[in-house]
Amino acid sequence: DTGVSQNPRHKITKRGQNVTFRCDPISEHNRLYWYRQTLGQGPEFLTYFQNEAQLEKSRLLSDRFSAERPKGSFSTLEIQRTEQGDSAMYLCASSSMTGTRSGGEQFFGPGTRLTVL
Amino acid sequence: AQSVTQLDSQVPVFEEAPVELRCNYSSSVSVYLFWYVQYPNQGLQLLLKYLSGSTLVKGINGFEAEFNKSQTSFHLRKPSVHISDTAEYFCAVSFFGNEKLTFGTGTRLTIIP
Repeated sequence: DTGVSQNPRHKITKRGQNVTFRCDPISEHNRLYWYRQTLGQGPEFLTYFQNEAQLEKSRLLSDRFSAERPKGSFSTLEIQRTEQGDSAMYLCASSSMTGTRSGGEQFFGPGTRLTVL
Repeated sequence: AQSVTQLDSQVPVFEEAPVELRCNYSSSVSVYLFWYVQYPNQGLQLLLKYLSGSTLVKGINGFEAEFNKSQTSFHLRKPSVHISDTAEYFCAVSFFGNEKLTFGTGTRLTIIP
C-alpha cells in the first residue's frame, strides 16, 4: 500500500491556461474525493466519486472545473481558463467504505499546489 | 446551517505541558467526527474519529478526544506535548446522509521548548 499519490506536486501557470491534476487512490478504494485548501483555511469539498460515478459536486465547482474517474481507479481534475483565485492546494482523498452512510476514514494525498500568475 | 468551528487559530504550549484544541459543530442531524493533523507541505493524517459508542476516543500519538452531544463539541487533548506535535490540526465532520467532510479553519499548535 503506497498511499494516495498526486501529480504534479506543484504547478505554476499563467492566467487563462488550462491545467490538469491527477490522483491515484489507494488500490481498491471505491470512493475518491477532491478538496481545495486555500491559505489559512481548512479544506473545502469539491466533488466525490463512487467507482466511476460522480455522486456530488460542490457549488465551488464552477463550469470551468471538471473531474473524471473513467475506470473507477485514478481521477483527473481539470481547470480551464485558470484565474488567480484558483490558486490553492488541491487535495485528493480516497476511502473504501460502501453503503450510503459510511463514516469511513478518508486517506489524503500530499496535494497539488497550484499558483496562477 | 451545518458548520464546524475551531475558535483558536493559534495555540502556543510549552513542551511537556497539556493541551486542548477546541472544536464545536452545528447540526440538526447525527454526525461523524474526525481530527486530522497536517504537517508542513504534507497532506492530512487522521488522528482519531468518533462514529458511535464510547464518547472518549483515543487516537495516534497520544491524542484523545471526547464527544459531547449536549455541547456539540469534540475537543482534542494531549496530556503532554512534544516538539514533534507542532502542526496544523483540523476538526472535521460528516453529516448524516452526506459523504463529504466539512472542515474547521484549523488550529496551529506551536510547541515552545
